Amino acid sequence: QKEVEQNSGPLSVPEGAIASLNCTYSDRGSQSFFWYRQYSGKSPELIMFIYSNGDKEDGRFTAQLNKASQYVSLLIRDSQPSDSATYLCAVSNTDKLIFGTGTRLQVFP
Amino acid sequence: EPEVTQTPSHQVTQMGQEVILRCVPISNHLYFYWYRQILGQKVEFLVSFYNNEISEKSEIFDDQFSVERPDGSNFTLKIRSTKLEDSAMYFCASSQQGASYEQYFGPGTRLTVT
Repeated sequence: QKEVEQNSGPLSVPEGAIASLNCTYSDRGSQSFFWYRQYSGKSPELIMFIYSNGDKEDGRFTAQLNKASQYVSLLIRDSQPSDSATYLCAVSNTDKLIFGTGTRLQVFP
Repeated sequence: EPEVTQTPSHQVTQMGQEVILRCVPISNHLYFYWYRQILGQKVEFLVSFYNNEISEKSEIFDDQFSVERPDGSNFTLKIRSTKLEDSAMYFCASSQQGASYEQYFGPGTRLTVT
């Protein structure tokens, strides 16, 4: 069973801080890794994806991938209350995405 | 900015009835997907569709489910005889190049089976 694991949280950080969200996956053959943001009652919104080891930055977001450790992370710099949401890690496998349960992030003023 | 659209936003149906959920993927995308999310649970893959045929389906996608691309723009999910446990948010997604690349989700259809 191919799994994607995330801590469900909540992760609480103060406004302006760095939020660090983590994800592990079980299938070494996985090729691409995605971070989605999901507000309550809404659909997943793609933040970014990564497929090479190392870091990938997009604005306040940095995705980090370590295939040897089967570990993906998302850093959110200068966290804002509007970043409060559930962050879903997803891994591509053949022709589908496998999602984790998500980490709920709370950014307090 | 192009986006995936879905209709209806909310569908209430009685157990045993047939429902059709509709999606319009992003226009230049070639790969289409249906996922579902039961309240409080994770997003689950149902089916992927490319070149007018199913490319992959999950164990959830049994004989009660079917998908169709009836014309050049719509992509539909049909549930033939709904069960209480089919109550969930159903998301359509599309991708230009397949699951290893960006996949964009529609706003979802909330299906309530009574």
